[in-house]
This record gives sequence, C-alpha cells and structure tokens, in this order.
Amino acid sequence: DGGITQSPKYLFRKEGQNVTLSCEQNLNHDAMYWYRQDPGQGLRLIYYSQIVNDFQKGDIAEGYSVSREKKESFPLTVTSAQKNPTAFYLCASSNGGGRGLSGNTIYFGEGSWLTVV
Amino acid sequence: DAKTTQPPSMDCAEGRAANLPCNHSTISGNEYVYWYRQIHSQGPQYIIHGLKNNETNEMASLIITEDRKSSTLILPHATLRDTAVYYCIVNSGGSNYKLTFGKGTLLTVNP
Repeated sequence: DGGITQSPKYLFRKEGQNVTLSCEQNLNHDAMYWYRQDPGQGLRLIYYSQIVNDFQKGDIAEGYSVSREKKESFPLTVTSAQKNPTAFYLCASSNGGGRGLSGNTIYFGEGSWLTVV
Repeated sequence: DAKTTQPPSMDCAEGRAANLPCNHSTISGNEYVYWYRQIHSQGPQYIIHGLKNNETNEMASLIITEDRKSSTLILPHATLRDTAVYYCIVNSGGSNYKLTFGKGTLLTVNP
C-alpha cells in the first residue's frame, strides 16, 4: 500500500536521552515535514525538507534535528536539549510546492507518541 | 500563509448536513483553501481543496465565496464517524512549503 509509515507508534524516553522517530514514504513525494501536536492544540511545524539533502527549520526547531539522505526517508531526532518533548509527532509528505498550479496537498502518517519518563 | 479563523466547536445531528465555516480574509490570489480532519490520536486526513470554484468529491463539498474571504465545508449526511477536528488552512503551493494549522473546529455528530 502507498503511504507514509511512522515508527514506533509509542516511545518512551528517559531524561537526557536522544531518540529518533522514523518516517518513510513510498509516494515518491519530494517534500517531507515533521509536526508536533500537544493535547488540544493545533500542529506546529518542526522541520521540513523540499528535496534530498536539504531541510529548513520550522517554527519550533530547537531541540530537534533531522536528516534527508534519501527521498523516501526523513527521520527526526528529539535531543536532550528539547526540554518538553512529550507530544504527538506527525510526519507528512507532499508533491506540491514548486509544481505550480495545484497547491500543495500534504498527506500525513499515523503519528508517534513520545513520552518522557 | 494567510491566517484562518474557525469556530472552536460545532454540533450536528446524525444524518443532517454539517456546515463548517472558515474565514480567511487576508487570502491572496494564488492561495488555495484546504480542509483536513483529524480523529483523535490519528494523523490528519486530507478532505478537499479549492482555489475559486466550488468543489465536490466523495467526502465533502467546498463552497468558496466570490471574494474568497471565507469558505464552508459541507458534509452532506454526517455520521458518527465524522466526529473529528476539522482544519481549514490556506496555501499557495509554489515555493511555499510551510503549512500552518490552527486549532480547528471540533465537530461532534450526535445520534
């Protein structure tokens, strides 16, 4: 099936640890994104990548890092510098942006819950 | 991206049409209106998008006012499974990859 796969679904992190959330897409999309969602809140953009080997900070990039070595993969590392990492993390991809006429429809994975213990 | 304004919550009776409004008074000419919905603890699901004309697909209809400053998402026959948070966003595509999601509207469909 085509789509976006995030793993793991649930992850627990100890204080001071780095953890990496996986995101893989087989939609052949150029752009990929990471969002964070806190309970009862909207989505906030952490990082996004328009093409392989390129990425930009979103609105809340501090304490996070990403890489984009392959088109289909965009892992997110939550570092120990992120002081309040407990949240729901959403990965997304799109084939818009730069392609002109049809806007930029993005598609989301099912999310990963990260809890600090 | 232009900002959008949505009511925080709405109720709808099962089987009736659900009409969700969105204001985007600062929308620019090349920005599309998108609607997504999110069921609790799942990723947002794309519903529909449009630029100027009204649009319809198997999930919903999108009505955009002539001045494009507001739009309405219509679920023609709401079911209990349509209970979700609905997000209205605007985006131009082009070189703008950043999509800004607000808090959306929590639609509760009642039996």
